[in-house]
Amino acid sequence: SQKIEQNSEALNIQEGKTATLTCNYTNYSPAYLQWYRQDPGRGPVFLLLIRENEKEKRKERLKVTFDTTLKQSLFHITASQPADSATYLCALREDNYGQNFVFGPGTRLSVLP
Amino acid sequence: SQTIHQWPATLVQPVGSPLSLECTVEGTSNPNLYWYRQAAGRGLQLLFYSVGIGQISSEVPQNLSASRPQDRQFILSSKKLLLSDSGFYLCAWDHSGLSGTQYFGPGTRLLVL
Repeated sequence: SQKIEQNSEALNIQEGKTATLTCNYTNYSPAYLQWYRQDPGRGPVFLLLIRENEKEKRKERLKVTFDTTLKQSLFHITASQPADSATYLCALREDNYGQNFVFGPGTRLSVLP
Repeated sequence: SQTIHQWPATLVQPVGSPLSLECTVEGTSNPNLYWYRQAAGRGLQLLFYSVGIGQISSEVPQNLSASRPQDRQFILSSKKLLLSDSGFYLCAWDHSGLSGTQYFGPGTRLLVL
């Protein structure tokens, strides 16, 4: 069966450290994978997209890697801040149309001062 | 710039009552439109998507329905709500093609009592 999983429901780290979140998928062939941030009571906000032929993408303190052999994406936040506390969702898409856009359950990150 | 609106923001309805949630997009034309539901602590579940006026695809059989009467308007409805319909409903849009990003509305929190 098809599954998309994120490594843990919740993750606590100290301010200044690097947070690493994991997204694993089974029985999908994604054209690309995305990461979103969701604050409580709000809709998700797009952060980064990485395509199947890309290994790594960076945006400011954020870094995403994509390993299609391991079927895994890692999402890193360096020099984490309490304002980074939120739920982070990974999502994958197999093509251009909605029926193959799938979200993971999310990881709730808490950055402790 | 593009914006996406949803209303109402919150709704408390008795079991068996009808439902109508509205989503409108501004600043773009011919978007793909999506309805998701997010149960507490759970991932996003795709309910419906639409690639054009009057074109609706359903992902999950249930007592909900969707309509797209205008290019930038997407409506989620039910004739009789169930307790299990409670949740956070999110509307999103994107454009076909490998840009990939989905843009989410602020969401509607529905509580069925």
